[in-house]
Amino acid sequence: AQSVTQLDSHVSVSEGTPVLLRCNYSSSYSPSLFWYVQHPNKGLQLLLKYTSAATLVKGINGFEAEFKKSETSFHLTKPSAHMSDAAEYFCVVSDRTSGTYKYIFGTGTRLKVLA
Amino acid sequence: DVKVTQSSRYLVKRTGEKVFLECVQDMDHENMFWYRQDPGLGLRLIYFSYDVKMKEKGDIPEGYSVSREKKERFSLILESASTNQTSMYLCASTWGGTYTDTQYFGPGTRLTVL
Repeated sequence: AQSVTQLDSHVSVSEGTPVLLRCNYSSSYSPSLFWYVQHPNKGLQLLLKYTSAATLVKGINGFEAEFKKSETSFHLTKPSAHMSDAAEYFCVVSDRTSGTYKYIFGTGTRLKVLA
Repeated sequence: DVKVTQSSRYLVKRTGEKVFLECVQDMDHENMFWYRQDPGLGLRLIYFSYDVKMKEKGDIPEGYSVSREKKERFSLILESASTNQTSMYLCASTWGGTYTDTQYFGPGTRLTVL
């Protein structure tokens, strides 16, 4: 069965410094991996996704993530944090399991950006 | 752009009431999902539907039922609301039947059961 672990429940960075949000996954099949962002009282918005093409995936708003099969990781990065990046971020894994598919969500990482 | 709408942003109900949460998507998506979101637990799947009138239980279906009479509309029903169903409810949809599909989310309904 697939699973996903977000290693930090809260991350604080200063504006203009790099962002690193960590995600490890487990999957018996070649997975799809997603990062979503949720701003306060809003739904989730896709940042980027990996679907077995290029291992370095670029997303919206300057975010990117690298799929590392040997480390079973899919960490989200951004070179320079903006105040508007303050939100909750979810790592999601999906694969073909037992003939159906489902999306497994991490517990989320809340990013705080300090002025 | 895909649009997923939910009938209410905030809802307050009494224990024992029957509650309907409605979700509508406008892009002819095959699959629709209902999740609940609780702090520290991420999103947990309640039910999903892969076609009209077809549904499958997710991880936490107890106390909930669903209805999908039309392709664009997926309803979540709390037969007899209880305080432990106070939560944020999110609806999502995907175009087809592969695990690479992007989920598109509605804005959520924050339900409080008193």
